[in-house]
Amino acid sequence: EMQLVETGGGLIQPGGSLRLSCAASGFSVSTNYMTWVRQAPGKGLQWVSFLYSGGATYYADSVKGRFTISRDDSKNILYLQMNNLRVEDTALYFCAREQPSAYFDYWGQGALVTVSA
Amino acid sequence: QSALTQPRSVSGSPGQSVTISCTGTSSDVGRYNYVSWYQHHPGKAPRLMIYDLTERPSGVPDRFSGSKSGNTASLTISGLQAEDEADYYCCSYVSQYTGVAFGGGTKLTVL
Repeated sequence: EMQLVETGGGLIQPGGSLRLSCAASGFSVSTNYMTWVRQAPGKGLQWVSFLYSGGATYYADSVKGRFTISRDDSKNILYLQMNNLRVEDTALYFCAREQPSAYFDYWGQGALVTVSA
Repeated sequence: QSALTQPRSVSGSPGQSVTISCTGTSSDVGRYNYVSWYQHHPGKAPRLMIYDLTERPSGVPDRFSGSKSGNTASLTISGLQAEDEADYYCCSYVSQYTGVAFGGGTKLTVL
């Protein structure tokens, strides 16, 4: 069974750092496109970052320079390192497997990140 | 503000049909058939309902269908059932560098 489980969320002060993990089972993160999507309270979904199987990475303008997507192939885990966090980064963060025609067929249940003083 | 525009809410009675619209631009929805739709019950993982504009993943009832006209994509749910009550999001490919755009979400209420 294919499954994604996010961990690492929590309460953090503005300017702080947090690393989210997304453990995959049933498939390899190394051979798939992987994405982070977030949902701010009361808002819709927002694409955050994307990691190609070949290693190329892309980011939304709102997080570029602050967030880093990566993976550990040996552990089959996707990461999102979030630095210099802002109040507006408060959201439920989902990891998802992305198919080449830009749809997401498997999602985790999300990790809540709250940025507040 | 979301890149794609969806109605905030729609409703229908059991057995009826509802259509949720998703309006983008000629740079996203209008240019590509890479439109997908997701069902989301709060607290759960989003579920893929439609991909590549009209395709249904295995396990999704054929009551769910997708279409497009110009810059507007639509999700139609026929034979509404109580378990269809959820939030629905559309999504369109934009570019390799900007990824995808999502709609703001539509809350479907089954009366």
